[in-house]
Amino acid sequence: GAVVSQHPSWVICKSGTSVKIECRSLDFQATTMFWYRQFPKQSLMLMATSNEGSKATYEQGVEKDKFLINHASLTLSTLTVTSAHPEDSSFYICSARDKRTFQETQYFGPGTRLLVL
Amino acid sequence: ELKVEQNPLFLSMQEGKNYTIYCNYSTTSDRLYWYRQDPGKSLESLFVLLSNGAVKQEGRLMASLDTKARLSTLHITAAVHDLSATYFCAVDNGGNTPLVFGKGTRLSVIA
Repeated sequence: GAVVSQHPSWVICKSGTSVKIECRSLDFQATTMFWYRQFPKQSLMLMATSNEGSKATYEQGVEKDKFLINHASLTLSTLTVTSAHPEDSSFYICSARDKRTFQETQYFGPGTRLLVL
Repeated sequence: ELKVEQNPLFLSMQEGKNYTIYCNYSTTSDRLYWYRQDPGKSLESLFVLLSNGAVKQEGRLMASLDTKARLSTLHITAAVHDLSATYFCAVDNGGNTPLVFGKGTRLSVIA
């Protein structure tokens, strides 16, 4: 089946630094990718929809200047957490929809755990 | 706005017992997913239900979809400890829209 990868799988950084997370669709092209955030013992919360070649669409309450999304190619979207603070510590998961099949199944990456000290 | 409700949110069950997790959603959709999440891990796809009346089974888990009632169920048969995890249902509006998730059901199977 289709595979979505994320890098890094975990990152620890100091408060005030920026962190970039990559999401790649490994064997299919994804014009749209989604970024989610998950806090402990909670469900996934959609942050933004990443559109190839255009600006991302952010959900209400998500700061677009803090969470920069770039979807430069059909297989890569990046999420940059700028000036990270401890409250940004979370599990970040991306997903992409494989439109080659009837099901257009949405596949999830393995997640990136961010800890801001 | 599409809303997805799961219940129960927490479930503690004995090994060998049966139970059902329910997933209700608020608007018309004929695509529904069930995922499993283990602690510290991402989502693992369990079932994709694509039409009214769809039923899929894998091992001790069986999922069904009733699009008229806007209801999906995940039935657990003769639970074993390895099934302990959090289970999410998610409804798909198709196109370039994201999945809408329920809050998840945290299942704990005890001896």
